[in-house]
Amino acid sequence: QVQLQESGPGLVKPSETLSLNCTVSGGSITTSYWSWIRQPPGKGLEWIGYIYYIGTTNYNPSLKSRVTISLDTSRTQFSLQLTSVTAADTAVYYCARAKDIKTPYYLHYWGQGTLVTVSS
Amino acid sequence: NFMLTQPHSVSESPGKTVTISCTRSSGSLTSNYVQWYQQRPGRSPTTVIYEDDQRPSGVPDRFSGSIDSSSNSASLTISGLKTEDEADYYCQSWGVFGGGTKLTVL
Repeated sequence: QVQLQESGPGLVKPSETLSLNCTVSGGSITTSYWSWIRQPPGKGLEWIGYIYYIGTTNYNPSLKSRVTISLDTSRTQFSLQLTSVTAADTAVYYCARAKDIKTPYYLHYWGQGTLVTVSS
Repeated sequence: NFMLTQPHSVSESPGKTVTISCTRSSGSLTSNYVQWYQQRPGRSPTTVIYEDDQRPSGVPDRFSGSIDSSSNSASLTISGLKTEDEADYYCQSWGVFGGGTKLTVL
């Protein structure tokens, strides 16, 4: 059973870069699509972007200028970097994996989520 | 880009049937598959419907999904409501999520 676990700082200062990792276990990272999604407190879900296991990325147009998603197959991790953060980026951040390579947006496996607060 | 609009909340009694709609603002809903996710408080989302009308294993057949191309809408129908169905439900198509619907079973 594929399991995902987010990790990273829970507090980031405004204007700095938010960096999170997602560690994958129970399955290969050299397959499928790997996504990041976020959810501000009390609000809905927002897809941030994905990376395909061969390195192709696709980002939410509203965040594209600030987002980088990368894959480290040797460490079975993928990562999120979000630059120039503001309080509006405060959210629970989830990593997720698509069910298979045919459906990149069917997010079947989810991490438990990690709260990142942007504050000085 | 397009938006997916859902009702903010719905409520129904145990044993009854409820339908949650998801309307695409522009472009054809049939261009991309629709997924539905259930999220209980403090928990990660889980899939109840994928590829418009498919149920993952383990999801009871009380949950069903459909597409209406004439209204450019998708629907999630839950029959035989149980108190455990009380949760937020999100539709998703391509990289866009609906705003979510809070289902209350009272």
